[in-house]
Amino acid sequence: SQQGEEDPQALSIQEGENATMNCSYKTSINNLQWYRQNSGRGLVHLILIRSNEREKHSGRLRVTLDTSKKSSSLLITASRAADTASYFCATGAYSGAGSYQLTFGKGTKLSVIP
Amino acid sequence: GAVVSQHPSRVICKSGTSVKIECRSLDFQATTMFWYRQFPKQSLMLMATSNEGSKATYEQGVEKDKFLINHASLTLSTLTVTSAHPEDSSFYICSARVGIGQPQHFGDGTRLSIL
Repeated sequence: SQQGEEDPQALSIQEGENATMNCSYKTSINNLQWYRQNSGRGLVHLILIRSNEREKHSGRLRVTLDTSKKSSSLLITASRAADTASYFCATGAYSGAGSYQLTFGKGTKLSVIP
Repeated sequence: GAVVSQHPSRVICKSGTSVKIECRSLDFQATTMFWYRQFPKQSLMLMATSNEGSKATYEQGVEKDKFLINHASLTLSTLTVTSAHPEDSSFYICSARVGIGQPQHFGDGTRLSIL
């Protein structure tokens, strides 16, 4: 079952602005990951944050994790037209059967207007 | 970085045809690979987990006789859509990981269109 739910579903901003996407989940996790998908392509891993971490940076990306609120945010600073894509959060956790799985949210479609 | 190659990228075929999709990890060994299905503007739905040398683990509602998975080596998993019908048309994506808790590396997906 899907666990991560991104918000907003779609976001349109001007080049140079910051883009913030949020992700909420329901159960305990080991880590939370953000992926990017260009139209008609596979997913590209952006950043992984572990359940005992609160913030992580990678270039223009900043991810926060609040396990008490079961939420995460992805901030893209100084956006570029090339950042236009769908962004998915995925929660990593062990299932009831003991296997480790990633569960993806529905994604946020980001459009950066030049 | 870890690279996953998926072929073919696009398949168009007649109803009743069986279609094989390959997923290869090019520069790392993957004991576990995953097969997803994605509908337009939707998230990825995990179909099955492919384990090298053993049977795949299918998610609830996925027909194992319809979607045959073979993980014959540490670098190759195949998904065969048997006797495909128009409702099987979708975007299929594979991924592989180096280890538990590590990021998954995705192929570029296969767009399957059944006429």
